[in-house]
Amino acid sequence: AQSVTQLGSHVSVSEGALVLLRCNYSSSVPPYLFWYVQYPNQGLQLLLKYTSAATLVKGINGFEAEFKKSETSFHLTKPSAHMSDAAEYFCAVRTDTGRRALTFGSGTRLQVQP
Amino acid sequence: DVKVTQSSRYLVKRTGEKVFLECVQDMDHENMFWYRQDPGLGLRLIYFSYDVKMKEKGDIPEGYSVSREKKERFSLILESASTNQTSMYLCASSARRTSGSLSYEQYFGPGTRLTVT
Repeated sequence: AQSVTQLGSHVSVSEGALVLLRCNYSSSVPPYLFWYVQYPNQGLQLLLKYTSAATLVKGINGFEAEFKKSETSFHLTKPSAHMSDAAEYFCAVRTDTGRRALTFGSGTRLQVQP
Repeated sequence: DVKVTQSSRYLVKRTGEKVFLECVQDMDHENMFWYRQDPGLGLRLIYFSYDVKMKEKGDIPEGYSVSREKKERFSLILESASTNQTSMYLCASSARRTSGSLSYEQYFGPGTRLTVT
């Protein structure tokens, strides 16, 4: 069975500091991995995705993530946090090769302090 | 841009009522999904559909049913609402293939916050 673990339900950083949100996964099939962002009172928006091409993936709003197979990780980073980055972030892995469903982590709420 | 719309942003219903949540997508996507989102639990899959009139149970289907009579519309039905179904409900859609490859990228609606009293 596929699963996703996001370490830290809340992360707080100062504006301009590095953002690091952690995601570890387990998957019995070659993983396709995703990061989504949810702003208050909105649905989820895709930040970036890994689908077996380049291991370093760049997304929107300056975010990127690196797929590390040996560590079964897909951590999300941004060099310099902005106040507008405050949101909840979800990591997801494809459930299997047939169902087209995703398994989501429990989410990490990012706070950005001025 | 893909647009997924949900019929209500906020809904308040009484215990025992039958509740319909509607979702419409405008990108001709084959796959549609219903999730519920609860604090600390992330998103949990209730049901999904990969074609008209086709449906499959997700991880937490108990107390819910779905209907997909048209490709663009996917309805979630709470047959007899209970207080433990108070939650945020998110609809999503995805294409079967993108650029010839299998696609898993999902597009989400804004969500319906349902309160059952």
